[in-house]
Amino acid sequence: DVKVTQSSRYLVKRTGEKVFLECVQDMDHENMFWYRQDPGLGLRLIYFSYDVKMKEKGDIPEGYSVSREKKERFSLILESASTNQTSMYLCASSSASGGDETQYFGPGTRLLVL
Amino acid sequence: AQTVTQSQPEMSVQEAETVTLSCTYDTSENNYYLFWYKQPPSRQMILVIRQEAYKQQNATENRFSVNFQKAAKSFSLKISDSQLGDTAMYFCAFIPYSGGGADGLTFGKGTHLIIQP
Repeated sequence: DVKVTQSSRYLVKRTGEKVFLECVQDMDHENMFWYRQDPGLGLRLIYFSYDVKMKEKGDIPEGYSVSREKKERFSLILESASTNQTSMYLCASSSASGGDETQYFGPGTRLLVL
Repeated sequence: AQTVTQSQPEMSVQEAETVTLSCTYDTSENNYYLFWYKQPPSRQMILVIRQEAYKQQNATENRFSVNFQKAAKSFSLKISDSQLGDTAMYFCAFIPYSGGGADGLTFGKGTHLIIQP
């Protein structure tokens, strides 16, 4: 079974803090993704990565950056957290081979920025 | 750009009944994948079923099946013999075929399904 883990289920941070959200997958997947989920807006793609050190902007990259130094780990960074970044953050991974585009999700991190 | 529409914000049925959730999508792509994901109160997004657009046969997974109508761009989910554990948000999602999977999913807004005892 694919296992995607996220470092925290709940996180409370202050405005202006630098925030790191970590995601780890154990299936040797090439692709990793960060989404945020908000009531009424659904799930939106922030960034994704298709290889180590490679990244692509998604639909809402403003205010975020990412890091992928190792294949199994994909970090989302909020350089200076703001209250409008209070949200549920979901990480996902998928394989680049075999024609399977299925994305497998982690349990999510609920971030509150005060 | 793709869009995914789920027209039923909330549905409620009795346990053991059959329920169908609707999803329509818009795309100019010819080859793509469609998914139904389930998100229970725990918030974990769980894959329910997957359909490849080039396959004519509708996908099934135990009590879950889809009705995929490519020309109509429709992708409904049928849950048979519904159980209390099926209570969740259900999301329809789309991804164009890229050969490497390096693209984001486009999600619908979700349908909140409640199974009543």
